[in-house]
Amino acid sequence: GAVVSQHPSRVICKSGTSVKIECRSLDFQATTMFWYRQFPKQSLMLMATSNEGSKATYEQGVEKDKFLINHASLTLSTLTVTSAHPEDSSFYICSARPVGGEQFFGPGTRLTVL
Amino acid sequence: QKEVEQNSGPLSVPEGAIASLNCTYSDRGSQSFFWYRQYSGKSPELIMSIYSNGDKEDGRFTAQLNKASQYVSLLIRDSQPSDSATYLCAVNEEAGGSYIPTFGRGTSLIVHP
Repeated sequence: GAVVSQHPSRVICKSGTSVKIECRSLDFQATTMFWYRQFPKQSLMLMATSNEGSKATYEQGVEKDKFLINHASLTLSTLTVTSAHPEDSSFYICSARPVGGEQFFGPGTRLTVL
Repeated sequence: QKEVEQNSGPLSVPEGAIASLNCTYSDRGSQSFFWYRQYSGKSPELIMSIYSNGDKEDGRFTAQLNKASQYVSLLIRDSQPSDSATYLCAVNEEAGGSYIPTFGRGTSLIVHP
């Protein structure tokens, strides 16, 4: 089956710093990648849709200048949380989708901002 | 606002029973439907996808789709304690030439021995 990796799996940082999360599709090319955030006991919240070679499409209420997304290749998308604050602490999950295919999720990154 | 609705549960069933999970969606233009399983603290994993009306079976899992009634369901036969998880229904909706996934809030399933 399709494999999606995320790195790091867990990160703890100080308030005000920036954190970069990588999402890679290991055995397929992903024209589209998605970034989600999930708070404890809540559903997945789509943050943005990332298309290779173009700007990401952000969902309403998600600050594009705070959550920088770069989809530089067909196998890599990155999410940078800039000037992180404690309220940004969450479980960040990416997913990747080949053309016309199903979504496959990465294992997630747990971010804790002190 | 396109919506995918699920009963949050928890749905509690005894081991060996059939668990029935339901999902309704608001957009009649939806094309593809998915069920994901999510264990606590983990990311979702795909269980089933279904694209046309009717039933689709895979092992102990059966997905059912009724586009006229705008619902999709997941049946789990011979439920096991390891099936205890949150089950997410996802619907792909066409938007500007691409397909945007919308997830329900998930149904928590508890299978007790």
